[in-house]
Amino acid sequence: DAGVTQSPTHLIKTRGQQVTLRCSPKSGHDTVSWYQQALGQGPQFIFQYYEEEERQRGNFPDRFSGHQFPNYSSELNVNALLLGDSALYLCASSWTSGGTDTQYFGPGTRLTVL
Amino acid sequence: SQKIEQNSEALNIQEGKTATLTCNYTNYSPAYLQWYRQDPGRGPVFLLLIRENEKEKRKERLKVTFDTTLKQSLFHITASQPADSATYLCALYNFNKFYFGSGTKLNVKP
Repeated sequence: DAGVTQSPTHLIKTRGQQVTLRCSPKSGHDTVSWYQQALGQGPQFIFQYYEEEERQRGNFPDRFSGHQFPNYSSELNVNALLLGDSALYLCASSWTSGGTDTQYFGPGTRLTVL
Repeated sequence: SQKIEQNSEALNIQEGKTATLTCNYTNYSPAYLQWYRQDPGRGPVFLLLIRENEKEKRKERLKVTFDTTLKQSLFHITASQPADSATYLCALYNFNKFYFGSGTKLNVKP
């Protein structure tokens, strides 16, 4: 049973560019949440997707957008990259329909903006 | 918004001792609180969940307490081992959002 997978592992972009990160949830999970983790800090909630809709959003600008597909996988898009967007981006999946709140995290995508 | 405070200083203890980590929060009491372990360069791993109406939860060598009056959770690792060395994060769930603390690094010395 594969856990949460994310791609790519590492990514280097320059300011102003756009980036797309991908996440496949754990088998059987229907909800995907995205987090940004700066070095030495805890994960910061970006948004959560359930039934292909954005269910909740943290304090992130509209440059951050996402999508969830019918197979429950998800993408995180960031436009007009800033140096401050450099961070580890984590995806977590959970099973909302099953009534459980446990989140399973992927290994993350390390984004560096130059 | 919710603010979570964890001791930013590393906790250094000797193998076999009990490690106690603290998580304090401000504002609203969460529906539940979770503890995670994170190793360098990896995603957090879920350890325990405790709900607002629960005082204590145990799982093997792990114990978590929740005091809504003090707005505090304590996380204990008994009979600590060097393999327990990692950063431990607490996370609060409130109003359909998760709020994480910045974590406390635990170093268990043999």
